[in-house]
Amino acid sequence: EAGVAQSPRYKIIEKRQSVAFWCNPISGHATLYWYQQILGQGPKLLIQFQNNGVVDDSQLPKDRFSAERLKGVDSTLKIQPAKLEDSAVYLCASSSVRGGQGAGQHGYTFGSGTRLTVV
Amino acid sequence: GENVEQHPSTLSVQEGDSAVIKCTYSDSASNYFPWYKQELGKRPQLIIDIRSNVGEKKDQRIAVTLNKTAKHFSLHITETQPEDSAVYFCAASYSWGKLQFGAGTQVVVTP
Repeated sequence: EAGVAQSPRYKIIEKRQSVAFWCNPISGHATLYWYQQILGQGPKLLIQFQNNGVVDDSQLPKDRFSAERLKGVDSTLKIQPAKLEDSAVYLCASSSVRGGQGAGQHGYTFGSGTRLTVV
Repeated sequence: GENVEQHPSTLSVQEGDSAVIKCTYSDSASNYFPWYKQELGKRPQLIIDIRSNVGEKKDQRIAVTLNKTAKHFSLHITETQPEDSAVYFCAASYSWGKLQFGAGTQVVVTP
């Protein structure tokens, strides 16, 4: 089974520039998550999709971050404009969990992440 | 929302000794508690998990215990080996599959 694919693996940009990350989940996984992991901290959920609808974006800084999941498969996360504090690893995860279920469902898998450095 | 606290932040153990990491959670509705191991520059990897209807689970040298009343759960690693050196994260799931992570524990196993 192919894993969660993310690209690019690394990105260095200057502050105030824009950047986009891409995620392709495991085939058939309806739920997709974007997490932000700042160095030395645990991952923090930014946004969760169920198919192509947003389930939770309460921790997404909407003034600069946006995400979409067209057709309920691939997803992109964008930052515009970037700030120094956005430097982090952005992890995508997918699972087959459905509404009302917890995360303890088969297939919760993380991608390798995109390491963003804002200078 | 859920809040997960994890202790200690760093843990140094001699090879062959045991390591214990403790986490507490705030939302009594949380019902799934996974533990992840993350090596430098790599993705978090699930090493063991426990559901709220179980008090203890073991997988070879790794075990997890859950006390729902006290809202805490722990990871136990016995007979530690150098390859156990990594950052370990606990997490709690309370709604729609999203995970609330602890801050992580850096485990260093010295030969």
